[in-house]
Order: sequence, then C-alpha cells, then structure tokens
Amino acid sequence: RKEVEQDPGPFNVPEGATVAFNCTYSNSASQSFFWYRQDCRKEPKLLMSVYSSGNEDGRFTAQLNRASQYISLLIRDSKLSDSATYLCVVRASGTYKYIFGTGTRLKVLA
Amino acid sequence: NAGVTQTPKFQVLKTGQSMTLQCAQDMNHEYMSWYRQDPGMGLRLIHYSVGAGITDQGEVPNGYNVSRSTTEDFPLRLLSAAPSQTSVYFCASSPNTGEKSYGYTFGSGTRLTVV
Repeated sequence: RKEVEQDPGPFNVPEGATVAFNCTYSNSASQSFFWYRQDCRKEPKLLMSVYSSGNEDGRFTAQLNRASQYISLLIRDSKLSDSATYLCVVRASGTYKYIFGTGTRLKVLA
Repeated sequence: NAGVTQTPKFQVLKTGQSMTLQCAQDMNHEYMSWYRQDPGMGLRLIHYSVGAGITDQGEVPNGYNVSRSTTEDFPLRLLSAAPSQTSVYFCASSPNTGEKSYGYTFGSGTRLTVV
C-alpha cells in the first residue's frame, strides 16, 4: 500500500460548483499535512496547511480525520483558474521526510 | 528575493555521463530536499538535508549523490546517467526541521533527458 494515496481523477466540474478531494495516508504517526497545487509543467506551490481543527482560506477548506487517516480539500464556487493538479503531502512524526501523493487533477469547465 | 533557484532548466545527457544539478536558496532555510517527478508516480524523495553537513536518503536515492557544505546550496549529482533517470527534478526548501512544519518552497525544476 502506498504511504499517501489520492484519486488521480480527472474531476471535471462546471464553474461555480463545489468539489472535494480526499487523500488517505497509511502511517498513523503522521503529524503534518499539506495541500499543494501544481499547474502543468510548473513547480508545486503550497496551497494550505491542514490543521487538526480544520482550516479555511477563502473558497478552500481543509480537514483532517485522524481516526480514518485521511485529509480532505473542499473548493467552493470553482473558477476556471482552479484547474490544476492538487497534491497532498504528509510528514510523519520523528522524520524529516515529506511524502507526496500522486495528485488529483481538477478541470473546471466553462 | 530569488527563493529557490535551480540550474539548468533543461539538460540532455548521454547514457553514462555524469552531471550536477544545482540548487540554491536565499531564505536561510535549514531543510532542503530533491524530488523527481515522473508521470503516474508523483514526486518521489531522492535525498534531503536538515542542515549544513547533514544529508540522508529518501525513497529513491540510488544513482544520486548529494552534499551540503553551506546552508544555501544543495547540489544533486548523477554519477552515471541512465535512461531511467529521465525525469523532472525539483529542489525544495523549508524553514525548519523541528516538529512544526511550514511546507516547502520549490524551485522551477530541471527537465533531464538521458538518451
């Protein structure tokens, strides 16, 4: 089983829709979680950290479920510019290794 | 503020050649790492460093060497290039190595083709 797993998609949604992605992780000792966005042929860019209590940044909401070992990203009112690949990243406690999922591709359609 | 700078942006090597991918950051970050990204495989950690003079292996270290003589620089050396090392390479840095994590800043990548 991979340490971090994501549905590759693509998720095709119309503008204005709400879309959610999940990411599961296998190491219960994982302690730091992030979502990154990657545009085609570009470097990944940090979208947001994921905190235990959940956190929101504008149209984006991230949640952590430790019991079921997954994190989620919710995007409300999708824009064409949200089209990208979304990567989840996990770091286990006591290590310095950040492990990436393979990414979920989102296409927002006009 | 340049952030993380990678050179070269593109490179074509012949099988068996060696080369060094350069990475420099000007943010005084302690933590630096190298990833490779291949279609369907996501980003895989090659090597990382938690400070000058300290390096360790990631998920896919074979065929690569690193060193960290200064906080700013973290070069990646391909010892004898193989077609399987054709990939996009990203260098990344992060402010600290403690239990609290701040996430990475990535360089713009090096696209390497080995023929």
